[in-house]
Amino acid sequence: GEDVEQSLFLSVREGDSSVINCTYTDSSSTYLYWYKQEPGAGLQLLTYIFSNMDMKQDQRLTVLLNKKDKHLSLRIADTQTGDSAIYFCAESRYGGSQGNLIFGKGTKLSVKP
Amino acid sequence: NAGVTQTPKFRVLKTGQSMTLLCAQDMNHEYMYWYRQDPGMGLRLIHYSVGEGTTAKGEVPDGYNVSRLKKQNFLLGLESAAPSQTSVYFCASSYLRGSFEQFFGPGTRLTVL
Repeated sequence: GEDVEQSLFLSVREGDSSVINCTYTDSSSTYLYWYKQEPGAGLQLLTYIFSNMDMKQDQRLTVLLNKKDKHLSLRIADTQTGDSAIYFCAESRYGGSQGNLIFGKGTKLSVKP
Repeated sequence: NAGVTQTPKFRVLKTGQSMTLLCAQDMNHEYMYWYRQDPGMGLRLIHYSVGEGTTAKGEVPDGYNVSRLKKQNFLLGLESAAPSQTSVYFCASSYLRGSFEQFFGPGTRLTVL
C-alpha cells in the first residue's frame, strides 16, 4: 500500500521506555522523520534520520531504521508526563521536494504517573 | 523569528460562506504547504507551493484554492464552505534542500455549520 502505518495508541508508566513503531512504503525515501504534536499545537520536528543510517541517538531519543523491512522506530528513554503527545512518523518521497512528506496517522502516547 | 504564523486561530462559518486563511513565514523558505488534520486521518496535503507565484495540488485539493503572491505568504481560500471542510488546518514551510524539514504553524480550527 501507499500508507505510512503506525499504531494509534501507546500507554506507558513514567520512567519506563516508550517505543513507537512505524512502517513506511517507499524504499527510495531519503529522510524519515519523527514529529511531536502536543494538544492544541502544531507539529514540531523531534528528529530525523537519513536513509543511509541505521541508528541515530539524541539525548533520550533513539531512532532505529531497518531499511530491509522498511521499519522505523522511536525509543524515548525515561519517559516523562511531558512526553504525552501524538507522535507522527513521516517519509520524504521524491527527496522531500514538492511537498511529498507522507505522514502516518500518529501514535498517541499516554504517560501515567 | 516568529517562524510560521497562521491567522485566524479559530473560525466558524455557515455552509456556503467563503474565507481565506493566511500563512506567513519569516525564514525565507522556498516551499510552503497547506494540510488538513482530521481525527484518525493524520495530515493530508491540500496544496503546496515551490516558490513565489507557483502552486500545485496535493492529495485533497477539491474545494480549496491557494495563492502565493509573495514568498513569505501562502493563502488558502474556501470559496463555498461545506461541513466536510470542518477541520484543523496547518501551514508549513521548508527549505529547498537539505533535510527538507517542515516547520509548522500553530493551526487554524475551522468549523462549518
